[in-house]
Amino acid sequence: GAGVSQSPRYKVAKRGQDVALRCDPISGHVSLFWYQQALGQGPEFLTYFQNEAQLDKSGLPSDRFFAERPEGSVSTLKIQRTQQEDSAVYLCASSLQRGYEQYFGPGTRLTVT
Amino acid sequence: KQEVTQIPAALSVPEGENLVLNCSFTDSAIYNLQWFRQDPGKGLTSLLLIQSSQREQTSGRLNASLDKSSGRSTLYIAASQPGDSATYLCAVWRGANSKLTFGKGITLSVRP
Repeated sequence: GAGVSQSPRYKVAKRGQDVALRCDPISGHVSLFWYQQALGQGPEFLTYFQNEAQLDKSGLPSDRFFAERPEGSVSTLKIQRTQQEDSAVYLCASSLQRGYEQYFGPGTRLTVT
Repeated sequence: KQEVTQIPAALSVPEGENLVLNCSFTDSAIYNLQWFRQDPGKGLTSLLLIQSSQREQTSGRLNASLDKSSGRSTLYIAASQPGDSATYLCAVWRGANSKLTFGKGITLSVRP
């Protein structure tokens, strides 16, 4: 079956613009995670969904970051008023249930100019 | 706060060598430990997942071990090949509900 997909793969935004990043998890996967990966670093946790419920958003760096998963499948990560420090690769992962192996998408590379 | 360290940051070896990649973590109360591979510009591919009750897992030429008491895991790659060139990251889970905490990764280059 299909893996985790993310779109767009690349996004260039001017500082101050809003962006929306999409994640399509593996069908039937209940858990969904967002991570941020800066250049040369490991991914850092942003937020976690169990179905449509956002159970942990402790990693979101500011109130400019917002994530949703309204129907418990596709998720969107939105960044308002983008700043240069938001430039990174945003990775989405899904797992069958909590505590199970996570499968990652290819990521969206965001560049803020 | 859990911290995960991978040293060295980069490694270059000739083809055919057996090699060991190290991972250390500060909090031994982990649920699982997972090793990933990341190719340039790509997402993460899961290689091995070791549950806290296990000591090792094997998949093909890869073997991962876990020593919770010492806060260490190793990824052993047998008979390395140029296609093994990638960045290898380890990540730990604190609990079933928790997010992964990653190391910075080790960038491996296998020379033909």
